[in-house]
Amino acid sequence: AQKITQTQPGMFVQEKEAVTLDCTYDTSDPSYGLFWYKQPSSGEMIFLIYQGSYDQQNATEGRYSLNFQKARKSANLVISASQLGDSAMYFCAMRDTNTGNQFYFGTGTSLTVIP
Amino acid sequence: DAMVIQNPRYQVTQFGKPVTLSCSQTLNHNVMYWYQQKSSQAPKLLFHYYDKDFNNEADTPDNFQSRRPNTSFCFLDIRSPGLGDAAMYLCATSRGIAGATDTQYFGPGTRLTVL
Repeated sequence: AQKITQTQPGMFVQEKEAVTLDCTYDTSDPSYGLFWYKQPSSGEMIFLIYQGSYDQQNATEGRYSLNFQKARKSANLVISASQLGDSAMYFCAMRDTNTGNQFYFGTGTSLTVIP
Repeated sequence: DAMVIQNPRYQVTQFGKPVTLSCSQTLNHNVMYWYQQKSSQAPKLLFHYYDKDFNNEADTPDNFQSRRPNTSFCFLDIRSPGLGDAAMYLCATSRGIAGATDTQYFGPGTRLTVL
């Protein structure tokens, strides 16, 4: 079964606008962590933001925030004030206590910021 | 700065000619991972080490081997590269702490071309 689902293969956003990238997850473990990574064309996977299942508040890191809706099992990434440098692939990932040291990745969303 | 380093960034090899990719880390993390990522796909875990304990994914071909001589270094050996092994190879590390809060940090990747 798919642990992480990203349903948007590609997204476009106007520079300076906000954009939401969708991620849903599947786990029966009450303890899990959700991660977002950015992968520019250079190939490096850059860690952006983390949300723990027990965290009471949505995670934020600068222009990145995570819209965590536990009942819906969704962990959408919100990028505010998009910049041209935000154009990249974005991957959602999850780890729970049953996966040991493994992380499950979604198939990614390609974001293009339009000037 | 603490980081994950991969060398070389680009590697060209011939069909069937063994190749070794290297990864080092200054984060002093217990876990090191090797992923294979083909174009427009999610990273695929090949194997990982928790300290010296080796964990092979069930579907990782025997053509791929790994060594971790010490905490800082990990190598990926491809014994007889085929055209289908051309991909980006990503090394990652994590602390290996219990629970779901562990975060993976990636190196810049090695892009392998097989001629």
